[in-house]
Amino acid sequence: EPEVTQTPSHQVTQMGQEVILRCVPISNHLYFYWYRQILGQKVEFLVSFYNNEISEKSEIFDDQFSVERPDGSNFTLKIRSTKLEDSAMYFCASSSPGHFNTEAFFGQGTRLTVV
Amino acid sequence: AQKVTQAQTEISVVEKEDVTLDCVYETRDTTYYLFWYKQPPSGELVFLIRRNSFDEQNEISGRYSWNFQKSTSSFNFTITASQVVDSAVYFCALTPNGNSGYALNFGKGTSLLVTP
Repeated sequence: EPEVTQTPSHQVTQMGQEVILRCVPISNHLYFYWYRQILGQKVEFLVSFYNNEISEKSEIFDDQFSVERPDGSNFTLKIRSTKLEDSAMYFCASSSPGHFNTEAFFGQGTRLTVV
Repeated sequence: AQKVTQAQTEISVVEKEDVTLDCVYETRDTTYYLFWYKQPPSGELVFLIRRNSFDEQNEISGRYSWNFQKSTSSFNFTITASQVVDSAVYFCALTPNGNSGYALNFGKGTSLLVTP
C-alpha cells in the first residue's frame, strides 16, 4: 500500500542551526502539506503546496520556514535558524487531486528536538 | 473562522465497553468536510473517515460508527466493544470547501485508554 515516508524519524539539532526535514509523498498525489504537533498538543497546519508553489500557509509558517520540491519525489521543510520552541513532531502529508476534498495521508513524522 | 472542539480530554474504559468520542465544530462555510484521525502510541496519524457537509447519513465500519448531525454541528465517533488496541488519541478535523489542498483544522484530541 502506498505511503508517505519521512526521514529522519528523529533529529536533534542545536539552537540556531538550520534543519531540513524530508518527505516522499505518495507518487500520484499532487497536494503536499506540513503539519506540526508540539508534545501533548493538537496537530497544527503549517503549509500546503501545489503546482510548485505554496497554496496556503498558517501564521506559524513565518520567514524561518520554507518548503521545496527539489525533484519529482521529495518534499522538504527547512527551518533556517531553529529555536527551542520549534521542538515538535513534524508531519508531512499528501492528497490526491480531486474536485471534492480528498483525505490527506500522513507520514509517520519526524521528531525534532532543539537543544 | 473554523473551530473544532473535543471537550473530552481523556476517556478510560474497560475492554468490551462502548465509547463515544464527541466532536463539535464551528464554521461559516456551507460546504465543508469533517474527518477523524487516530494517533496510536507509535505516533503516526491514521485516517479513519471523511464526511462532507451534504451527507448526513451515519456510517458504520466494523466496530466504528459515526453520527453526523448538522443541526447540532456535531460529528461523534462511537467504538463498539472496545479493544485494548483502540487505545490512542483520536482527532476530529474540519476543512472548508470542496476542493483539495485546504488545511485540516484539528481539535485538541481525545485520549482513549482501553484497559483489559
